[in-house]
Amino acid sequence: GAVVSQHPSRVICKSGTSVKIECRSLDFQATTMFWYRQFPKKSLMLMATSNEGSKATYEQGVEKDKFLINHASLTLSTLTVTSAHPEDSSFYICSAHPTGVKNIQYFGAGTRLSVL
Amino acid sequence: QQQVKQSPQSLIVQKGGISIINCAYENTAFDYFPWYQQFPGKGPALLIAIRPDVSEKKEGRFTISFNKSAKQFSLHIMDSQPGDSATYFCAARGPGKLIFGQGTTLQVKP
Repeated sequence: GAVVSQHPSRVICKSGTSVKIECRSLDFQATTMFWYRQFPKKSLMLMATSNEGSKATYEQGVEKDKFLINHASLTLSTLTVTSAHPEDSSFYICSAHPTGVKNIQYFGAGTRLSVL
Repeated sequence: QQQVKQSPQSLIVQKGGISIINCAYENTAFDYFPWYQQFPGKGPALLIAIRPDVSEKKEGRFTISFNKSAKQFSLHIMDSQPGDSATYFCAARGPGKLIFGQGTTLQVKP
């Protein structure tokens, strides 16, 4: 089956630093990728839609200057949490939509971010 | 209108029993309804999905029942096993994105 690799799986950083999370589609191309945030025992909240070669579309209430998204190729999207604070600690999950395939999203394994 | 409401929040079932999780939506423009299974510390994995022009879809022990007029759909897990213990999310596809339900934590007791 299709694989989406998300890296790192876990990161601990100091307050004020920036953290980059990578999302790669390993065996398919993805024009569109999605970034979600999940709090403990809660649902997935869509943060932004990442489109290859263009600016990401952010959901209402998500600070685009804090959560920088880059989708530089058809297999890679990155989420950078800038000037991270403890309240940014969360589980971040990406998903990738195979180009030309309707409905399907494949999810990465997630990244646990802990900001001290 | 963009919400998908999921119930129950948690569910305990004996091994061999039937697990039933329900979801309801408002937006009639939703055109695809997947169910995802998530284990702790992992990303969601697609379990089964249905389109609104079908009333039921079965894959192995998993069945989706879809009631278009009531705007409700449900997941039935037959012969539930301890390995099915996980969090289950229903979702609905709107324009360009998936809207997730709140999740149901299922525990199957041996």
